[in-house]
Amino acid sequence: NAGVTQTPKFQVLKTGQSMTLQCAQDMNHEYMSWYRQDPGMGLRLIHYSVGAGITDQGEVPNGYNVSRSTTEDFPLRLLSAAPSQTSVYFCASSYGGGLYQETQYFGPGTRLLVL
Amino acid sequence: QQPVQSPQAVILREGEDAVINCSSSKALYSVHWYRQKHGEAPVFLMILLKGGEQKGHEKISASFNEKKQQSSLYLTASQLSYSGTYFCGTSTIGGSNYKLTFGKGTLLTVNP
Repeated sequence: NAGVTQTPKFQVLKTGQSMTLQCAQDMNHEYMSWYRQDPGMGLRLIHYSVGAGITDQGEVPNGYNVSRSTTEDFPLRLLSAAPSQTSVYFCASSYGGGLYQETQYFGPGTRLLVL
Repeated sequence: QQPVQSPQAVILREGEDAVINCSSSKALYSVHWYRQKHGEAPVFLMILLKGGEQKGHEKISASFNEKKQQSSLYLTASQLSYSGTYFCGTSTIGGSNYKLTFGKGTLLTVNP
């Protein structure tokens, strides 16, 4: 199993550009989520999905869109990049059944720089 | 609401012990502990559930104090490999089953 994969590993954008961060998992996990990590801030939840076709907002959803058409994939779209979105983005997945008792598996991260 | 971790940073010599605390102002259902090395993804350590027992794995263990809404992570006889940032993630009673709120992290440095 590859686990959770993310592409690209690193990206530079100009303000106003759009892009999609890709996330895929091959563990047949129902739950997937996107976090951003900024220095001194910990991990903050952007969006999450409890299954194909079902998504919901986390703590910091503004400026980001998600969709979940398959169990395996959960892309994160930046509609119009802003310097405040410079961050490291992690995708995570877990088996499901209620996150309160489930281990989350994290992808390797995407480092995004918005100029 | 984000749980509060303390200390923010700790420096140890190999073989010394450390305790990292995670406190919440809300009633907790579960506390998750992760470790992240520089430039890498967070890696799961353990989950503690409300009403559950203290957990441990070799020299790393944790407890959950329901009265204080606090969890503590214990690292004994620290090794160089323990260096990294430790995060707690919490789920609250009455909150979503699908959201964890993470603390800001505790940077642990173990020196030879």
